[in-house]
Amino acid sequence: AQSVTQLDSHVSVSEGTPVLLRCNYSSSYSPSLFWYVQHPNKGLQLLLKYTSAATLVKGINGFEAEFKKSETSFHLTKPSAHMSDAAEYFCVVSDSNYQLIWGAGTKLIIKP
Amino acid sequence: DAGITQSPRHKVTETGTPVTLRCHQTENHRYMYWYRQDPGHGLRLIHYSYGVKDTDKGEVSDGYSVSRSKTEDFLLTLESATSSQTSVYFCAISKQTGNNQPQHFGDGTRLSIL
Repeated sequence: AQSVTQLDSHVSVSEGTPVLLRCNYSSSYSPSLFWYVQHPNKGLQLLLKYTSAATLVKGINGFEAEFKKSETSFHLTKPSAHMSDAAEYFCVVSDSNYQLIWGAGTKLIIKP
Repeated sequence: DAGITQSPRHKVTETGTPVTLRCHQTENHRYMYWYRQDPGHGLRLIHYSYGVKDTDKGEVSDGYSVSRSKTEDFLLTLESATSSQTSVYFCAISKQTGNNQPQHFGDGTRLSIL
């Protein structure tokens, strides 16, 4: 069965410094992977998706993620954090029935 | 943003009462989903629909029923609400199924069962 583990429940960085949000997955086949973002009291917005075309995926707002099959990881990065990036981020894998399996989320805190 | 409207946005009700949440889309997408979001759990799928009158259960379907009589509307009903169903409920839509198809979400309904 597919599963997703987000390794940090909270990440705190200073504005202007790099962001790393970690995600490991388990899948018995070549998965599709997504990152979603949720700002406070808002719905969920798709940041980026991996569908086997390229291992480095660029998303919106300067985020990108790298699929590493050998490490079963799909970490989300951004070179320079902005205050508006403060939100909760979810790593998601699509299972064999095309349903989405969600990680528990990582809250990103940006310090001025 | 995808044309998805959830109503109501907030609701407080008592244990044992029936509750219906509505999801309305203007995108004419075939697939619609209901999730609940609870701290520490991410989103969990309650029910989904793959067409008018075609629905199926998700991971946490007990205590919930759904109906889809029109492409644009997907209703979630709690027949007799319990305090464990206090949660934030999200509706999502997708154009097709397939493991590379993203889902697009509404803004959520915050439901409190007292």
